[in-house]
Amino acid sequence: DQQVKQNSPSLSVQEGRISILNCDYTNSMFDYFLWYKKYPAEGPTFLISISSIKDKNEDGRFTVFLNKSAKHLSLHIVPSQPGDSAVYFCAASAFTYKYIFGTGTRLKVLA
Amino acid sequence: GAGVSQSPSNKVTEKGKDVELRCDPISGHTALYWYRQRLGQGLEFLIYFQGNSAPDKSGLPSDRFSAERTGESVSTLTIQRTQQEDSAVYLCASSLRRTLSGKNYITGELFFGEGSRLTVL
Repeated sequence: DQQVKQNSPSLSVQEGRISILNCDYTNSMFDYFLWYKKYPAEGPTFLISISSIKDKNEDGRFTVFLNKSAKHLSLHIVPSQPGDSAVYFCAASAFTYKYIFGTGTRLKVLA
Repeated sequence: GAGVSQSPSNKVTEKGKDVELRCDPISGHTALYWYRQRLGQGLEFLIYFQGNSAPDKSGLPSDRFSAERTGESVSTLTIQRTQQEDSAVYLCASSLRRTLSGKNYITGELFFGEGSRLTVL
């Protein structure tokens, strides 16, 4: 049972435009959500997080939106840059140690 | 060190051999995790340590897999009698334990190492 789903395996965006990566979850107990970025042959690196008491968190070009009623979160990158090309994972936790990761979305930003 | 360190970075072994993968977490991080990423798939939870104890081993695929942690520091993941389906990148991560302070969460994001790529021939 995949509790965290990223239904788009890949996404291509022109440089300077907005990238929107989506993530759906099924467990209503999840209260903490994170986005990670992964380059080839490297470990994932933390990007941004949001707790369930918020519906938006912003950090520079990155904004995460949480819609608890829809069990949906999204990551917006504005403006997109070629260096943003990577695989993006969302992860969720139910105030425990266990982080459940999605399968990832490969973002390609075209110059 | 400054980050999570894993060794070896690459390991090629023959089916049936045992392998050991090592993880050095960030100093002071009490929580340590092992994840696995098979080709084209997401991160699969294997095991979690809090201190030297492993309260959750539910992700270990079979009894050929085991892990230990000593000194609330280094962890070793051991795979016995390796099979071809064990081929994957094994990722270690560490974090501070998440706590709640008023309405603010102290972030407990995971810090990952670069992984150990295991290939079983």
